[in-house]
Order: sequence, then C-alpha cells, then structure tokens
Amino acid sequence: GENVEQHPSTLSVQEGDSAVIKCTYSDSASNYFPWYKQELGKGPQLIIDIRSNVGEKKDQRIAVTLNKTAKHFSLHITETQPEDSAVYFCAAGTGGGADGLTFGKGTHLIIQP
Amino acid sequence: GAVVSQHPSWVICKSGTSVKIECRSLDFQATTMFWYRQFPKQSLMLMATSNEGSKATYEQGVEKDKFLINHASLTLSTLTVTSAHPEDSSFYICSASNEQYFGPGTRLTVT
Repeated sequence: GENVEQHPSTLSVQEGDSAVIKCTYSDSASNYFPWYKQELGKGPQLIIDIRSNVGEKKDQRIAVTLNKTAKHFSLHITETQPEDSAVYFCAAGTGGGADGLTFGKGTHLIIQP
Repeated sequence: GAVVSQHPSWVICKSGTSVKIECRSLDFQATTMFWYRQFPKQSLMLMATSNEGSKATYEQGVEKDKFLINHASLTLSTLTVTSAHPEDSSFYICSASNEQYFGPGTRLTVT
C-alpha cells in the first residue's frame, strides 16, 4: 500500500517569513495530492491540491510543487501570518481523488509574532 | 468548496452501547464517502469506503462487524460503532467528493 512521509513534524517561523513542508510517497500509481490545514478540534480543511498531470499550482500565498520522478511534493506558504498556525497534513491517493487517501503524520506550524 | 456535515459533533457513551454518526453532503451528491479515524495528536487513518447502494469496503485491520456503515442515499452515510469500548474513543471524520472535502468530525468518548 501507499506510504506517505512528511517532514518536519514541527516548524517554527517568524511572521512574514516563508514555510516549506515536504512529503514523499511510495506508490507510483498515486495521482492526487491534497494538503489540509487542521485546527484543534476541527476537521481537516482542504487548502490546495495538485494532480499528477501538473508540476506546480499556486493560490495566493500558498503553492504546491510535485516531482513525480522523485515521488515528492511540497507545500510553500509565503508571507506567513499568525492565523496560519495549525497542523498541516499532506495526503496521496489514486483515482484522481476518487479513492481513499493516505495521510502523512502532520506538521505543526507555529508562526512566531 | 463542497460542504460536508456530521452529527453529532461530540458524543459520550457507556461501554457496551452503540453509537451512530451521520455524514451528510449538503450541496452535492456523493456516491462515495470515506470514513477516517484520528487519535489525539496523530494522523488520519482511512477506515472504510462507503458506497451508495452497496456494501462498504473496509481497510485491513478494521472490523466490519464493529463499524457498521450504511450509505442509503446520495447525501447520507452513517457509521455505527457497535459495542463500543474505551479504546474506540477517537475523532471520527468523514469526507466526500473527488476533492475529498471533510466534515467537521465527531468526537466519541466511551466511558
């Protein structure tokens, strides 16, 4: 089955700086890679996703890159703000998202004021 | 994005009783919904895939007789935890649609 590794487990950055979270996956059949933000006691919120037919996607301060050859994808958050503090999860799935997802272990992002 | 709701948001039950959790897609139809479990400070683990009109598909290690799933309509899937025990205490979250929008989760505490 799929295995998703996520690093780092904790990331502390100064407000206004950039944050990068990296994930690797093992199953070459995976073709859907979403990123989620989860606040305490709430369900995961989809913040950006990428499918295997593109290498990069951007939405305002958030971007995701995908390297299919190396089987890794990354989340980039620029101009970080205090409200970006949360746990971020990467995930991988097949079927373009129609199948269940395998999640990374999560990254606790702390934005220092 | 699509809206997924869950009910209840939290529930406390006694050991040995059963609890039903509902997952609804509010503004779209979902032939497939997914049920995940998340223990404190851990990641989400896929439990089962709920298919409208047919049997659910369970992940390895998940007891299908303990976690009963019913997907009777295109907007509703239910997860029933039968004969609950304290080790079943967890955060149960459902998702739906190809973009995997998640519900707000249900916190189950078994005493």
